[in-house]
Amino acid sequence: NAGVTQTPKFQVLKTGQSMTLQCAQDMNHNSMYWYRQDPGMGLRLIYYSASEGTTDKGEVPNGYNVSRLNKREFSLRLESAAPSQTSVYFCASSVLLGTAGNTIYFGEGSWLTVV
Amino acid sequence: AQTVTQSQPEMSVQEAETVTLSCTYDTSESDYYLFWYKQPPSRQMILVIRQEAYKQQNATENRFSVNFQKAAKSFSLKISDSQLGDAAMYFCAYRSNSGAGSYQLTFGKGTKLSVIP
Repeated sequence: NAGVTQTPKFQVLKTGQSMTLQCAQDMNHNSMYWYRQDPGMGLRLIYYSASEGTTDKGEVPNGYNVSRLNKREFSLRLESAAPSQTSVYFCASSVLLGTAGNTIYFGEGSWLTVV
Repeated sequence: AQTVTQSQPEMSVQEAETVTLSCTYDTSESDYYLFWYKQPPSRQMILVIRQEAYKQQNATENRFSVNFQKAAKSFSLKISDSQLGDAAMYFCAYRSNSGAGSYQLTFGKGTKLSVIP
């Protein structure tokens, strides 16, 4: 039972490089999310996709782009990485559009270091 | 905007004892959900328990229970019979049940729980 799968799990980038974090879920969920977690902080929402074909900004979208490739996959792209983007990134998904009570399931996180 | 505050950066508890983690939140909404997530050293986020704001009864899940005080905007987590595997960061989170806010979990900064053998 894979759940939410993120790749890569670890990545070191040089300032200015680009990369894409991949995320896939096998639970037939409508909504998907990208969060980042910085030291001493809870998770903060970068972007979300309420349903296939739609994406919206969260709390901290600057420096990122996303693509909802299909119902299963939601990628996060850093076009020109900056040291401030060093963080742990979490992909997540949930069942129903706008139904807050439904559990949000998280992937295992991707550790990104920008030097 | 909603805010979630966890005032205890670190807590410790003896194995088999009970510990309570505090959480307060600020919102003008009446319909929302509250959650406690556990994050062990592996960094995976694991849902521990959730509470629906319109339900008076406090949620329980085995050794985990909450004390939800809606008027006071307080949502504490009680862990009974603490086990070594309970050692982790615990995050309190809020989620609106209406509009665009229903897509966003707002997290507190977390409480690091240590369990002493």
